[in-house]
Amino acid sequence: GDSVTQMEGPVTLSEEAFLTINCTYTATGYPSLFWYVQYPGEGLQLLLKATKADDKGSNKGFEATYRKETTSFHLEKGSVQVSDSAVYFCALSKNYGGATNKLIFGTGTLLAVQP
Amino acid sequence: GAGVSQSPSNKVTEKGKDVELRCDPISGHTALYWYRQSLGQGLEFLIYFQGNSAPDKSGLPSDRFSAERTGGSVSTLTIQRTQQEDSAVYLCASSSRGAGGSSYNEQFFGPGTRLTVL
Repeated sequence: GDSVTQMEGPVTLSEEAFLTINCTYTATGYPSLFWYVQYPGEGLQLLLKATKADDKGSNKGFEATYRKETTSFHLEKGSVQVSDSAVYFCALSKNYGGATNKLIFGTGTLLAVQP
Repeated sequence: GAGVSQSPSNKVTEKGKDVELRCDPISGHTALYWYRQSLGQGLEFLIYFQGNSAPDKSGLPSDRFSAERTGGSVSTLTIQRTQQEDSAVYLCASSSRGAGGSSYNEQFFGPGTRLTVL
């Protein structure tokens, strides 16, 4: 079945460092791809998304490009801040039978940014 | 309300008891989803509602789990005869129908209900 694999954490970086969190997917058809973020003590929030190949999603300095040839959607940020410390989830969604657009999530990557 | 709300925020119960978890979606959102977040299994889909019907129940782990939605709004997830492995955070999400009516937009998540089964 469809699945998402993302790099194990935790990832520990110093402030202003470059961030990459790898995400690859396995899916038939044409899924949409997402990054969700969960800040400490808060609910899941959509960070960015891309709905077709070669689309780039971006938000709050984060970006990810939908690469169909490598089935990847890696998350990047040029300069992280302490406030970016959170758990990041890569996910995919597509129109399953019954028009379900359920999300299939990766395991999550904990990012800890130190001042 | 402004966002998806869930109640209770925390629930501690004894093994074998039944529990009910409630979700209030964003007003007007026709799609509603339940997910479970646990240490061993990560984030898993449980069930999807379109209006009051549930065309996809494929993620419910056993027949002890059931859910309903009434009035196209509030949903209740019921777990009967709870087991320790049911301990998790139960998340609800809702979304509106996309342009053309054939797909759905972004899912907005509630804060979750943390269930602990002793």
